[in-house]
Amino acid sequence: GDSVTQMEGPVTLSEEAFLTINCTYTATGYPSLFWYVQYPGEGLQLLLKATKADDKGSNKGFEATYRKETTSFHLEKGSVQVSDSAVYFCALRSFQKLVFGTGTRLLVSP
Amino acid sequence: EAGVVQSPRYKIIEKKQPVAFWCNPISGHNTLYWYLQNLGQGPELLIRYENEEAVDDSQLPKDRFSAERLKGVDSTLKIQPAELGDSAVYLCASSLDGAQETQYFGPGTRLLVL
Repeated sequence: GDSVTQMEGPVTLSEEAFLTINCTYTATGYPSLFWYVQYPGEGLQLLLKATKADDKGSNKGFEATYRKETTSFHLEKGSVQVSDSAVYFCALRSFQKLVFGTGTRLLVSP
Repeated sequence: EAGVVQSPRYKIIEKKQPVAFWCNPISGHNTLYWYLQNLGQGPELLIRYENEEAVDDSQLPKDRFSAERLKGVDSTLKIQPAELGDSAVYLCASSLDGAQETQYFGPGTRLLVL
């Protein structure tokens, strides 16, 4: 079945460092891809999405490019802030349901 | 505009007891989802409703779990009897309809079964 694999965390960075969180997927067809973020004590929020190959999703300084050839959707940010500390989930949409990865916790220190 | 509302936020029960979770989706959203999120894992779909109809309940353990959305608005998820392994976060989400890709999540109900 369809699945998503994310790099394990936690990812620990200093403020203003560059962030990459890897995500690869296995799916039949060409699913839409998403990054969701979960701040402590809150529900999941959609961060960005891409619906077809080579699309780039971006929001709040984060971006990810849908790479069909490598079946990847890596999340990047050029300069992280303490407020970016959260758990990040990569997901794909298959048959009208979301399939999530296990999540990657990001910890940013001042 | 209010987001997805869930209650209670936390629940502690003893095993073999029943428990129920309530969700009120965003106004006007026809599709409602219940997800299970185990510790350190991503959410997994339990059931999806289109209005009052459960259109995908293939992952719902029907021996002890049940759900309803009688008027096509709010929904209740029930476990009876609860087992230790049911300790998890139960998330509710909604979208305008099943074709819409963006799902909006509530804060979840954290269940601890002792």
